[in-house]
Amino acid sequence: DAGVIQSPRHEVTEMGQEVTLRCKPISGHDYLFWYRQTMMRGLELLIYFNNNVPIDDSGMPEDRFSAKMPNASFSTLKIQPSEPRDSAVYFCASKTSGGAGGPGELFFGEGSRLTVL
Amino acid sequence: RKEVEQDPGPFNVPEGATVAFNCTYSNSASQSFFWYRQDCRKEPKLLMSVYSSGNEDGRFTAQLNRASQYISLLIRDSKLSDSATYLCVAVTGGFKTIFGAGTRLFVKA
Repeated sequence: DAGVIQSPRHEVTEMGQEVTLRCKPISGHDYLFWYRQTMMRGLELLIYFNNNVPIDDSGMPEDRFSAKMPNASFSTLKIQPSEPRDSAVYFCASKTSGGAGGPGELFFGEGSRLTVL
Repeated sequence: RKEVEQDPGPFNVPEGATVAFNCTYSNSASQSFFWYRQDCRKEPKLLMSVYSSGNEDGRFTAQLNRASQYISLLIRDSKLSDSATYLCVAVTGGFKTIFGAGTRLFVKA
């Protein structure tokens, strides 16, 4: 079975440019998460969705960041305009609600490594 | 203050050693807890869940103390292949999943 698929795997861009990161969650998973990882700050939760609806976006750094989930099989994280401090690895992850057993395992994509010059 | 705090390490231990990682969480509403493992330049993957009664998976033992809001992971008989970053995770109601910054472990021959 295909896991969480992210694209692009690597992106190098110049300050001020728009960046769009894409994610396809595992089929049947009803939760989708976007994280950002840096050496200094670790793995930070940016936003998460349940059934395509944003539940908590309190981790989104500022208005330059936006995320959408137009359907159950696709999500985007957009940065406009990008800045050097946005350089990080961005992970998308998905999971099921797990039923009576509680929250299921979180499955991560391989990440999108963003470098803003 | 971060919601989930861990000692960043690194922990440098010889093969065969026992090593323990600690983690604290600040949100008393947290309901579920996990340890994830992340290899260098890879994505995090689930290592094990953490239960109040404590649970064991081979050489790995996880403990949860809800009163102290404290989670631990014990690795016995360390192997070279255990070298990785170990991430502590707390999940609150609504399934908000928060990771600690991770503890790096190096196991040396």
